[in-house]
Amino acid sequence: AQSVTQLDSQVPVFEEAPVELRCNYSSSVSVYLFWYVQYPNQGLQLLLKYLSGSTLVKGINGFEAEFNKSQTSFHLRKPSVHISDTAEYFCAVRYNAGNMLTFGGGTRLMVKP
Amino acid sequence: DGGITQSPKYLFRKEGQNVTLSCEQNLNHDAMYWYRQDPGQGLRLIYYSQIVNDFQKGDIAEGYSVSREKKESFPLTVTSAQKNPTAFYLCASSIEAQWTGVNYGYTFGSGTRLTVV
Repeated sequence: AQSVTQLDSQVPVFEEAPVELRCNYSSSVSVYLFWYVQYPNQGLQLLLKYLSGSTLVKGINGFEAEFNKSQTSFHLRKPSVHISDTAEYFCAVRYNAGNMLTFGGGTRLMVKP
Repeated sequence: DGGITQSPKYLFRKEGQNVTLSCEQNLNHDAMYWYRQDPGQGLRLIYYSQIVNDFQKGDIAEGYSVSREKKESFPLTVTSAQKNPTAFYLCASSIEAQWTGVNYGYTFGSGTRLTVV
């Protein structure tokens, strides 16, 4: 079965430090990759997506992610986090066979002053 | 602006009562989805619909029912058979695969928090 693994359930980090949230998926066939952010009591907002082309994708709020086909990874990075980045982050994969997304379990980013 | 509207934002249910959560979209998306989210857990798929008048069970459909009579609307009913309905419910929509739209992801509503009292 196709799966998405977010290796860290929680990531604590100090403000202005860099952060990487890891995401691995199970298959190397054609995929579309997404990162979503969820603030408390809200829905999910799209941060960035990889459909094709450059493997380095830039998103909103200074986040970027790199698609690595050989390692089947799509890690999310930000060079300097803010308190306002505290949220839950979800990685999602759409395998080319259909339009359903498979979600990872989420990573809670906790930015401390 | 186009988007997905979920209502109400907060809902309280008594034991043994059915309640219906509303989800409406004006994005002209073909597919719609319902997810359940519990504290510390990811998203679990309840039901999805890829076209009007058709829907499929997801991973945790027991105790829930849906209808898709209109493209814009995908209401979710939480029945009395759902023994632990307290959770945050998210509705989403997406464009169908065969269209050439550039966004193949989902658009989410803002959620409904259901509490059993």
